[in-house]
Amino acid sequence: GAVVSQHPSRVICKSGTSVKIECRSLDFQATTMFWYRQFPKQSLMLMATSNEGSKATYEQGVEKDKFLINHASLTLSTLTVTSAHPEDSSFYICSVGAGTGASPLHFGNGTRLTVT
Amino acid sequence: GQNIDQPTEMTATEGAIVQINCTYQTSGFNGLFWYQQHAGEAPTFLSYNVLDGLEEKGRFSSFLSRSKGYSYLLLKELQMKDSASYLCAVRDRDYKLSFGAGTTVTVRA
Repeated sequence: GAVVSQHPSRVICKSGTSVKIECRSLDFQATTMFWYRQFPKQSLMLMATSNEGSKATYEQGVEKDKFLINHASLTLSTLTVTSAHPEDSSFYICSVGAGTGASPLHFGNGTRLTVT
Repeated sequence: GQNIDQPTEMTATEGAIVQINCTYQTSGFNGLFWYQQHAGEAPTFLSYNVLDGLEEKGRFSSFLSRSKGYSYLLLKELQMKDSASYLCAVRDRDYKLSFGAGTTVTVRA
């Protein structure tokens, strides 16, 4: 069964509005979750590391005020794309994992965001 | 940042074997992963290597040479459903996972 649940799977919004994406760890408590973004025919790019109970760690070039991350519990992290623009249209994927050893990252099913 | 290279596309015939190479340069090394991704879907885990050598898992095998910064994924007895993108990903010293751009494999009848 699914280890990670991500919602919504698809969203279309107007430019200037905000969109919230939820990521839930179903099988275990996750102190750390990861948010990736993938443009067509490109690699997954790590946007930020979501840390339960503390601030997220953003990768270089990712605007923390635009991509708000909240990790209020051990099973839920949310990514809010604020004041979305067409260039934010992408595939957003969250993942959870132990982070060490042979434990791989388990991915949510992704959210296809289209900003019109 | 990390540098992970893999071919963009490969085509093979059903029942054949295909080998997808991956070379990497990263800040530290804590394992290499291969994922399969179908269009519009999230990646699914295929294999993990942290020591040199070959890991076999059914029709899929993965090889690692840390000294050469090199890995390959071997797909045997190809089936039509194997048509997908295959992502090489390396975990660095900070346990962050970086992905290659992916290799699109097309299996033809």
